[in-house]
Amino acid sequence: QQQVKQSPQSLIVQKGGISIINCAYENTAFDYFPWYQQFPGKGPALLIAIRPDVSEKKEGRFTISFNKSAKQFSLHIMDSQPGDSATYFCAASTQETSGSRLTFGEGTQLTVNP
Amino acid sequence: NAGVTQTPKFQVLKTGQSMTLQCAQDMNHNSMYWYRQDPGMGLRLIYYSASEGTTDKGEVPNGYNVSRLNKREFSLRLESAAPSQTSVYFCASTPRTGTNTEAFFGQGTRLTVV
Repeated sequence: QQQVKQSPQSLIVQKGGISIINCAYENTAFDYFPWYQQFPGKGPALLIAIRPDVSEKKEGRFTISFNKSAKQFSLHIMDSQPGDSATYFCAASTQETSGSRLTFGEGTQLTVNP
Repeated sequence: NAGVTQTPKFQVLKTGQSMTLQCAQDMNHNSMYWYRQDPGMGLRLIYYSASEGTTDKGEVPNGYNVSRLNKREFSLRLESAAPSQTSVYFCASTPRTGTNTEAFFGQGTRLTVV
């Protein structure tokens, strides 16, 4: 059972447009919500992360919006560029003594057309 | 800095063969992880090691074994490979336990079992 559900599976936007990827989670014990970016042939790399005590976090063109009551969070990419074309994964984890195990969403393949 | 290094990058096995995937990190991280990535399923945790000398099962451990050889190295072994284990395998590490923090991933091992 997928504890973190991600949509859409794929997304095509034009250069300069806004890309929006959504995630929903079930486990209310999750307290850390990162987004990872993966280019073909590479491993995922941390893009941006948020904790549930804030509703929004912005880093450059990338923004996470977090809705704790709805158990949803989303990634917004403003002024999308062809170089943003990649697969994006949302994830969640709980703080525990045995390390930071991540539960990932299914992934979204983003294509930004020039 | 090399970060997280995985070997081999590609491997083809016949059903029933065994092999070991190697992972090493040079960041002095305490915790290490093995994930598998399958289309439409995101990344799923196979095994993890919160610290040197400890290992624990993740979400999909069946058919795998691990060894935390020392603080730097964490290997994944397939004793009798099956076609269902065809996947891309990623090793990751995090700096410390007990807190949620950035995971650093290797470039992956693409395994095909025929």
